[in-house]
Order: sequence, then structure tokens, then C-alpha cells
Amino acid sequence: GQQVQQSPASLVLQEGENAELQCNFSTSLNSMQWFYQRPGGSLVSLFYNPSGTKHSGRLTSTTVIKERRSSLHISSSQTTDSGTYLCAWSNYNVLYFGSGTKLTVEP
Amino acid sequence: GALVYQYPRRTICKSGTSMRMECQAVGFQATSVAWYRQSPQKTFELIALSTVNSAIKYEQNFTQEKFPISHPNLSFSSMTVLNAYLEDRGLYLCGARGRNYAEQFFGPGTRLTVL
Repeated sequence: GQQVQQSPASLVLQEGENAELQCNFSTSLNSMQWFYQRPGGSLVSLFYNPSGTKHSGRLTSTTVIKERRSSLHISSSQTTDSGTYLCAWSNYNVLYFGSGTKLTVEP
Repeated sequence: GALVYQYPRRTICKSGTSMRMECQAVGFQATSVAWYRQSPQKTFELIALSTVNSAIKYEQNFTQEKFPISHPNLSFSSMTVLNAYLEDRGLYLCGARGRNYAEQFFGPGTRLTVL
């Protein structure tokens, strides 16, 4: 089956520090997405990023599709950034999710 | 914009009974709908993919006999969890994709509790 490795599993930061989340995939697929999972469970799409680098506020996503990896960088972290971040590789109509990174930002 | 709704948001059923959940796409035509489950303390698993005018494709460990899916038009899909047991509890998401969109749009999920 499809394998998605996401790291780290958990991360604790002090407010203001930067975070780097990694996602690797075992086979070639066509795109990837990063999500934030709300405490209630619903997903917020952060980036749809087939390749290259995309920015959104303090968030940056970089995908190198031929190397089957993607990263999510959070700069100047805030306590409100705390939660679970999921990467997912896309095979056109379906997504294969990583196991998530639980981020805790302490004041 | 493209939105996906799911009903109900939460449901409780007794062990051995069945429960139906619905997914509605608004603002776009959902040519494919994928159903996922997140069991407690786990990540999302793909259950099945339904594409209009194609047979529904189930992932390993999930079957039509247990999770029958209906996708009658480009705005609606439903999935039933038959004979639910404890291992079926979790958050069920539908992700819909349209012709003019590269990414999937997700509903808020249906959280199933089995007593």
C-alpha cells in the first residue's frame, strides 16, 4: 500500500520559534496537500502544492515532487498554531495521509 | 466557492445497528467522492473512491458489504456503516473533487460513536 512518513510526530516550541514539518512518500504521486486538523476533527486546507514553494502568511510549503518530499515551515510560532498538522499525497482523486505532527506552542 | 457539507455531524448507534451518513457538494460538480475514516488516535484511512460512471473502488480492509456507497448525481453521495461495532467508531470524512479543481474539498465530517 501507499506509505506516507511524516515527522516529527510531536513538537513543542516556545512562542516565537520556527517549526519545520516534513513529509515523505514512498511512491510517485501527482501532488500533495497540507492540512490543519481542528480540535473537533475537521480539516483546514493550508496548501495544495504540487511542486515548488508557496507562501501564506507565516506558513511556507515546499514540495520537491521528484524527491517525493514536502515540508511545511511555520515562522514566528504563536500559541494559536498549536494543533495537529497532516500532510497528504494525492493520486488525482484520493489522498493518502501521514500520521500527523502534533504541535504545541507554549507562551 | 466550493463547499462540502456532511450530515449528521455526530451520531451514536448501538452495536450491531447501521448508520447512514451523507455528503453534499455545493458550488461545484463532484465528479469523484472519496470516503475516509479516522479511528481514535490514528490518521485518516481511505475507505473507497466513487467516480461518476465508474465502479466504486474499495481499499483493502473495506468492503461494499460493510460500507455500501451511493453516488447518484454530481452533488450527493452517501455511505452506510452496516452492523457497526466498536472498531467502526471514528470521524468519517468525505472528500469531493470536481472537473475544474485539482484539489479535494472536505466536509466537516460525521463522528460516529458505537455503544
